[in-house]
Amino acid sequence: AQSVTQPDIHITVSEGASLELRCNYSYGATPYLFWYVQSPGQGLQLLLKYFSGDTLVQGIKGFEAEFKRSQSSFNLRKPSVHWSDAAEYFCAVVPSGTYKYIFGTGTRLKVLA
Amino acid sequence: DTGVSQDPRHKITKRGQNVTFRCDPISEHNRLYWYRQTLGQGPEFLTYFQNEAQLEKSRLLSDRFSAERPKGSFSTLEIQRTEQGDSAMYLCASSRGDSNQPQHFGDGTRLSIL
Repeated sequence: AQSVTQPDIHITVSEGASLELRCNYSYGATPYLFWYVQSPGQGLQLLLKYFSGDTLVQGIKGFEAEFKRSQSSFNLRKPSVHWSDAAEYFCAVVPSGTYKYIFGTGTRLKVLA
Repeated sequence: DTGVSQDPRHKITKRGQNVTFRCDPISEHNRLYWYRQTLGQGPEFLTYFQNEAQLEKSRLLSDRFSAERPKGSFSTLEIQRTEQGDSAMYLCASSRGDSNQPQHFGDGTRLSIL
């Protein structure tokens, strides 16, 4: 079945530490890939997107993500986390031939001072 | 770019009542989407419009749910005879017409059914 998996429900890191959030998808063709961030009670803000080309994409707030076709993964990374990064992060895909997003279940990030 | 606006932000109602939510997309966006998000889950697609045409509906959109976008600008989502299970955050998003354009989300309407 087509799906998006974010295997880590919660992640806790110390401020200044590096971060990697995992995302795997199962679709036949490479979909469009996105990472969004959601603060409590708010909508979703786009961090970055991948459509084609360079497999390492840069986003806002110092985030980057790497697309690995062989692993069907699109992991989000940040070299040094700030306390303000505490939020929930969602990976989303748009399967080819559609326009709707399929979201993962999210990873809630906690940042320790 | 004033962003996607949703109204109301919060709605509390009794089971069995009807509710209607409004979404105003970014003005130059011709695609508009509705999603539902329950606690601890990612948003789930409900339906989307291209201009005034409703092009896709999820199986989640039961016959108690109806969405409209009468003039291709704002949209409304109505839930009739609300049930406890309808309690959720309802998110609206909009995008330009190209298939690879990202969706921009509003802050959502949180519905609580008493």
